[in-house]
Amino acid sequence: DTGVSQDPRHKITKRGQNVTFRCDPISEHNRLYWYRQTLGQGPEFLTYFQNEAQLEKSRLLSDRFSAERPKGSFSTLEIQRTEQGDSAMYLCASSARTGGGWETQYFGPGTRLLVL
Amino acid sequence: AQSVTQPDIHITVSEGASLELRCNYSYGATPYLFWYVQSPGQGLQLLLKYFSGDTLVQGIKGFEAEFKRSQSSFNLRKPSVHWSDAAEYFCAVGANNDMRFGAGTRLTVKP
Repeated sequence: DTGVSQDPRHKITKRGQNVTFRCDPISEHNRLYWYRQTLGQGPEFLTYFQNEAQLEKSRLLSDRFSAERPKGSFSTLEIQRTEQGDSAMYLCASSARTGGGWETQYFGPGTRLLVL
Repeated sequence: AQSVTQPDIHITVSEGASLELRCNYSYGATPYLFWYVQSPGQGLQLLLKYFSGDTLVQGIKGFEAEFKRSQSSFNLRKPSVHWSDAAEYFCAVGANNDMRFGAGTRLTVKP
């Protein structure tokens, strides 16, 4: 078990370009979460998947954002027509949902995006 | 909806001194509570969690936290701080299907 991994770790892009980030969760985890963290703030929930199904999306996730988890394993987060306000750390987390209650989320190292 | 408040944006303590980081939550039912630590440019590492049972929970790196329902608090403590504890600390509450984080407390450790 190597933990949650994210790629790339850093991305610099020009305004208007599209970017895609990848997250590989812990292998036996069926839930995968995306968060955004801006400077001086805690992470904010964007969306989550249970297996390949996207079950919830935050209102923070504008139409320019799309996330997929096609085979219930890795996930991608794409931002189209990036804006300077998209500059942030994008964090991925995974957990093993086994029934009712709550489960612990384990975080990856994040992808830091800078939009010029 | 649930929310978390961390009243202290920045705390400075001397190495070897005790530490307490405050966390207050708002949630209608029994909360699931977490403390995470984040080093600069890194992801979040789980320090400890409270789901139910004993209200004093032990975590990694010598940290502990106490759940006080009457005060809606889940403060993090460490009896003796090490220089390597300098980082950003986030309290979080889990409910429904998402987790809400506080804005964080940045800890500086003086030699």
